[in-house]
Amino acid sequence: GENVEQHPSTLSVQEGDSAVIKCTYSDSASNYFPWYKQELGKRPQLIIDIRSNVGEKKDQRIAVTLNKTAKHFSLHITETQPEDSAVYFCAPGYSGGGADGLTFGKGTHLIIQP
Amino acid sequence: NAGVMQNPRHLVRRRGQEARLRCSPMKGHSHVYWYRQLPEEGLKFMVYLQKENIIDESGMPKERFSAEFPKEGPSILRIQQVVRGDSAAYFCASSAQDRTYLYGYTFGSGTRLTVV
Repeated sequence: GENVEQHPSTLSVQEGDSAVIKCTYSDSASNYFPWYKQELGKRPQLIIDIRSNVGEKKDQRIAVTLNKTAKHFSLHITETQPEDSAVYFCAPGYSGGGADGLTFGKGTHLIIQP
Repeated sequence: NAGVMQNPRHLVRRRGQEARLRCSPMKGHSHVYWYRQLPEEGLKFMVYLQKENIIDESGMPKERFSAEFPKEGPSILRIQQVVRGDSAAYFCASSAQDRTYLYGYTFGSGTRLTVV
């Protein structure tokens, strides 16, 4: 099965600064790379995703970059704001079907310091 | 569109009792996935169902856990003879296409099960 690791497990940045969270995975067949945001006590919500035919995708202040050769993809948040404080999960998967659903990383606690 | 509906939001059970968690997918969605989230952990895949079919239950514990998605009504995750280690948040997600397309999941608000 897929082995997924996220780094760092906790990230504290000053409001207005940038944050980068990295996700490494083991299954070279993975071709779908989403990031989910989960605020305290709430459901995980998809914030951005990328497919393996694309190296980078941007949506306002958030972006995802993919390095398929090295098997990692990263979430970038620029001009961080207090409402960005949450736990972020990566969940690589593949569109060929198979035994598992998405495999989630253990999450990164992002703390935005005022 | 009410989104993915899960109930109850909170469920307290004594050890040995049964827990029944319900999930109604988004309108038009016929694929349901259940995930479990232990405190301070990521989400672990449990089971993937379509109407009247269990497609993949590779993440389900072998004993005490079962899931169904009948032709009519919500999907049900049942945990028999609950133990303290079953305390977790259980999230349901639905999609309109099967996961081979992986367009991303829409999660429900979750059921937080506490076993006392």
